[in-house]
Parts: sequence; C-alpha cells; structure tokens
Amino acid sequence: DGGITQSPKYLFRKEGQNVTLSCEQNLNHDAMYWYRQDPGQGLRLIYYSQIVNDFQKGDIAEGYSVSREKKESFPLTVTSAQKNPTAFYLCASSAGHTQYFGPGTRLTVL
Amino acid sequence: DQQVKQNSPSLSVQEGRISILNCDYTNSMFDYFLWYKKYPAEGPTFLISISSIKDKNEDGRFTVFLNKSAKHLSLHIVPSQPGDSAVYFCAARAFYGGSQGNLIFGKGTKLSVKP
Repeated sequence: DGGITQSPKYLFRKEGQNVTLSCEQNLNHDAMYWYRQDPGQGLRLIYYSQIVNDFQKGDIAEGYSVSREKKESFPLTVTSAQKNPTAFYLCASSAGHTQYFGPGTRLTVL
Repeated sequence: DQQVKQNSPSLSVQEGRISILNCDYTNSMFDYFLWYKKYPAEGPTFLISISSIKDKNEDGRFTVFLNKSAKHLSLHIVPSQPGDSAVYFCAARAFYGGSQGNLIFGKGTKLSVKP
C-alpha cells in the first residue's frame, strides 16, 4: 500500500527546543518537499530535494533544516531560530508534474 | 507578489448545482496547473490537472478549464455533493530552460455544499 506517512499527527514542544518531523514515502519518488500551512494561507515551500543527498531552500527556509540520506526519507527539523513555528506541516513527493501529500503534522510550540 | 490568486475565500452552493472555483495567474511561464482538495487537519488530495497545451480536462464530475489569454483557470464540479465541502487549492508550475520549477499555490477557496 503505497503512500506518504508523517509522524506524529500532533506534536507539542516548548519554546527554544528543536523538533524533528518525520516524512517517509514508499512511492519510489525522487523528489520530496516540505510545506507549511498557516490559517487562511496557501502552502508555502520550506525545503525541497530532487535527489538523495541534495536539497535546496524554498521560500521560507529560515529556522528550518533538512537531510536526505535515503530516497524514502526527508525529515524536517524546526529549530529554535524559527520565529513562529506553530503551524501545520505538510510533506509531499513527486515523480513528475503531480505532487502527492502526506497527512500532515500539527506542531504547537508552547 | 502573488503569482497564483484565488480571489474568492469562500463559496456556498446548493447540493446538485454546479460549483465553479476560479484561479488567476500572472506568470506566463506556467505550463501546468493542478487542483487539490483539502479537508481540515489533512493533507491535500490531488484532484485534476491540465497542461497549457489544452483548454479543458475532464474527470468524472470535475472539469478544469484553462484560458491562457486571460491567464485564468476554473474548476467545475457538477453535480455538487455535500462531501465536496472542503478547501480547494489551485497550483501552477513553470518550466524554465529545460527544468521544472516548483509548485506555486493559491490561498485556497473554501467550498460549502449545502444539502
């Protein structure tokens, strides 16, 4: 059963702590993406990776970091440098024009 | 500057009638357009797409129309059903010098289909 998984669904952290969001896909897609969604906003691109061991900053990369050591995995770390980390985070992958999304992780920083 | 605009934040339609969601874009380099449907606290689900070489693409109850000269696309849902109630995002991709750009999303339109 192919798809994209994100864990956990809900995540709570104290201000000043780094937190890593998981994203795994078994679709054999080369490209993977991280987006952030805020209320009333569209999806904004944080980071993307077209191939293993390579990734590029998106429109709002400040305060975030990623790694792409395996084709299946693209974890996102929200660092303490991110000013407004509370948001809904979405991971996606693609093998062509269409991106397919995971279920998302709601991060709340207290 | 928003390259993809969905100017209607919300739309309310009666069950069984047509829903028309609109999207405007500014970048003439966009060559592929997609519509996604999103329920609260879930990831977007791909609905339908269209290449810039076409002006219409149909899939069941969903039809997307592209007017390149007006830089406008629309999603028609006929007939609308209560389960169609969700936020719909328009997205566009450009093709620059042999490589694809990233998807640019609009802010979404919340569709409510009333029984």
